[in-house]
Amino acid sequence: QVQLVQSGAEVKKPGASVKVSCKASGYTFTSYYMHWVRQAPGQGLEWMGIINPSGGSTSYAQKFQGRVTMTRDTSTSTVYMELSSLRSEDTAVYYCAREDSSVTGDAFDIWGQGTMVTVSS
Amino acid sequence: QSVLTQPPSVSGAPGQRVTISCTGSSSNIGAGYDVHWYQQLPGTAPKLLIYGNSNRPSGVPDRFSGSKSGTSASLAITGLQAEDEADYYCQSYDSSLSAPFGGGTKLTVL
Repeated sequence: QVQLVQSGAEVKKPGASVKVSCKASGYTFTSYYMHWVRQAPGQGLEWMGIINPSGGSTSYAQKFQGRVTMTRDTSTSTVYMELSSLRSEDTAVYYCAREDSSVTGDAFDIWGQGTMVTVSS
Repeated sequence: QSVLTQPPSVSGAPGQRVTISCTGSSSNIGAGYDVHWYQQLPGTAPKLLIYGNSNRPSGVPDRFSGSKSGTSASLAITGLQAEDEADYYCQSYDSSLSAPFGGGTKLTVL
């Protein structure tokens, strides 16, 4: 079945970087854009950016420009999200989500289970 | 501050009908971009509920419906059930090349 499986929880110190992975299975990896969305504790969803797994092109939310890098490895059908210069406000659950342009337009039809990133000294 | 505005909370008794609004601007919903809705149960990842303003993915009950007009959209839930208690988010695209979410609405079934 179609699924996205993310890497496990992380605890980082302020100023460090974190890299979260999202492994896709059950579909053609390069045919669907992938987004990253985060959710701080008790807060709403926040869109971070998008990557085209086919060519690797990316677009990031202005808020994260300069701090976020999204990459992909087509050999393992995995996308990565790296966030640098971490601060306490980056403590959140990070989700990858697939965009199914062929059926649902630009909606996010499949979501990963989420990865908790805690930033604490 | 979210680009898309939702009421923080709504509530209704079992069997009733509730609506959740999502207000945007001429740079997102009003620019013709589709609105999508997600349901997030406590402790779980969001789930696509409505796509393309008014379409339901397979498996979503027809108690859930969506609409869009001008710079706003709405999600309606009829025949409210206890298991509908969740957070609901609208999402669209913006001419700034972002994909913003609304702030979320917590639905309480009384």
